[in-house]
Amino acid sequence: QSVLTQPPSVSGAPGQRVTISCTGSRSNIGAGYDVHWYQQLAGSAPKLLIYGTNNRPSGVPDRFSGSKSGTSASLGITGLQPEDEADYYCQSFDSSLSGSYVFGTGTTVTVL
Amino acid sequence: QLQLQESGPRLVKPSETLSLTCTISGGFINAASHYCGWIRQPPGKGLEWIGTFYYTGNTYYSPSLESRVTISVATSKNEFSLKMTSVTAADTAVYYCVRLAKRPGKALREWDFDLWGRGTLVTVSS
Repeated sequence: QSVLTQPPSVSGAPGQRVTISCTGSRSNIGAGYDVHWYQQLAGSAPKLLIYGTNNRPSGVPDRFSGSKSGTSASLGITGLQPEDEADYYCQSFDSSLSGSYVFGTGTTVTVL
Repeated sequence: QLQLQESGPRLVKPSETLSLTCTISGGFINAASHYCGWIRQPPGKGLEWIGTFYYTGNTYYSPSLESRVTISVATSKNEFSLKMTSVTAADTAVYYCVRLAKRPGKALREWDFDLWGRGTLVTVSS
């Protein structure tokens, strides 16, 4: 049902950099709509991590960054920390049909 | 600080109506710039937007759920509700009430979900 595709999992050692891709189409990311990212720790509600493609809410470390190009977006985590182990979701707007907010398939980040 | 809290029956029988309420504390539902709504997450799966509303009555629903969903607001009680009819096992999920953040210069379709309730698991089963 998700129209934004993410890799199921990525992993890295503490201190390393990992990147999560979010692939969409011309009716969502490719149409120029902003991309947002959420972090979901185990057993918790999602938390806004990045908004407007590359903006961090207050309190989010600058280790997290976002970018967008064409029909895809990416979330980068530098200096990976054990507390970064979580599920991550991208989100945008899709103008097909009547239009709706859409989420990515989700990516589990494992800190080795 | 604004907080959202979901409440309602945790078990619903197939073909019946799911009803949830989101209570807002630390602020008012009719405050400027507050669009709110519902998002759900089936166990072990991803997130799905259900619908969004503004306290004046403007509502927007997911095309895939629009025929079964109603979101309404009780301003005097500082709460809003979700009703979903004819539920099946596929509607078993954690339901979150959420707020959309108004960002300067951005249209509603580009707003993000900046505040989430803790979520409540609703199971559809006989």
